[in-house]
Formats: sequence, structure tokens, C-alpha cells
Amino acid sequence: DAKTTQPTSMDCAEGRAANLPCNHSTISGNEYVYWYRQIHSQGPQYIIHGLKNNETNEMASLIITEDRKSSTLILPHATLRDTAVYYCIVRVGLYGNKLVFGAGTILRVKS
Amino acid sequence: ETGVTQSPTHLIKTRGQQVTLRCSSQSGHNTVSWYQQALGQGPQFIFQYYREEENGRGNFPPRFSGLQFPNYSSELNVNALELDDSALYLCASSSMGEGLKGETQYFGPGTRLLVL
Repeated sequence: DAKTTQPTSMDCAEGRAANLPCNHSTISGNEYVYWYRQIHSQGPQYIIHGLKNNETNEMASLIITEDRKSSTLILPHATLRDTAVYYCIVRVGLYGNKLVFGAGTILRVKS
Repeated sequence: ETGVTQSPTHLIKTRGQQVTLRCSSQSGHNTVSWYQQALGQGPQFIFQYYREEENGRGNFPPRFSGLQFPNYSSELNVNALELDDSALYLCASSSMGEGLKGETQYFGPGTRLLVL
């Protein structure tokens, strides 16, 4: 699986959009970008995933660059409850593949 | 729809003992993956079970073993516990054979194990 690079930490004001970047310059054509988050001492929560098109769901939007070497997770209106560690993961979309977690980005939403 | 559940929530053991952790997969899921998360680190893949057989393993010694039952629930067993086994153990379920959407792994709340 391709490696990802994320900033160690970011701050965001409550009510503003949080934009979390991720670099995955060695991504292969059949690898998907997944985002999970982990609130302190809880299990990781699935947020969104995509291959090459931008994706949106009730939690967030995922913007993937045309060359697929980077992506941005957007939380449109961050709340204090969005404070968490956010993990960007690339994985092959085949059966049985593990998730390889890096250090992630600590997002702090402040009032 | 029932989510992924794990038991117990917390556990304290002493070095050299054995421990069994349990996981019930989300309704409709047939695959269970186990992860270990040490304090301050991201989760590390231990192994995955599909159709009651191990379907991939991470860099963990043989004293980490598992089982999957016909109802798709799973156990993680760790023998000869060491101090470094202290961690949050996470179980994730997914549904192999149902395309990429089914392959998304959903995590339980974890079991926090402390080895003294």
C-alpha cells in the first residue's frame, strides 16, 4: 500500500470549514483513498473514501487531485465534537486488504 | 442494524498470563480484522478472518492467535502476555464479496488491555 503524509496537527475555528490535506504521491491506479477519524480512546470511525472522483456524504467531502497524488478532506462546518485524530489511508480495493494507519493529523476545533 | 461490539471493555492481566478478547461483527458482515493500538500510535494490523480461516496476518508473533465462528463473531487470543502487549485492541468488521462498499471496515469501541 502507498504511504501517506499528513500534517501532525491543525487548528480550526468552530463553525468554519476544516481542510485536512494528505499527500500520497506513490499511489497506484487501483488504490483508493480512505479517511477515518478517532476520537480519544474510541475506535476509528469511517468517514469517506474515493478513487479519483470527488466524493461527498453527510459527514464530509473528499477532493482528490487530478493526478491523484494528494487529497483533501473537508469538514464543512467544524464543531467541537470534530476534534480528533484524522487518518488518511490508501489501500487496494481488493478483498481482504488491511488498513495501514500512519500517525494521522490531530485536528483541534476551538470555540 | 447492530454495530461492532467488543468485550470486555477493559482488562488487567499479569505478565505470562493468557487473554481472550471477543468481537461481534456488524449485522450482515462476514469478515473480521483485528488491530493493536499502542498509546500514541496508529492501529497496527494483527490479522483478518474470513469464513473461519485466517486471511492475512501482520507482523505479530504466533502467540497472537484468533478464531472466527459460524456466526462471524471472532476471538483474539494472546498467550504469554508481555508488558508491551498493553494496548487498545480493535476489531473491525466488513463484508467480503460485496464489492468495495462492502469492504469498508467498521470498528468497534475496542478493549483496553493492561499487562502488569
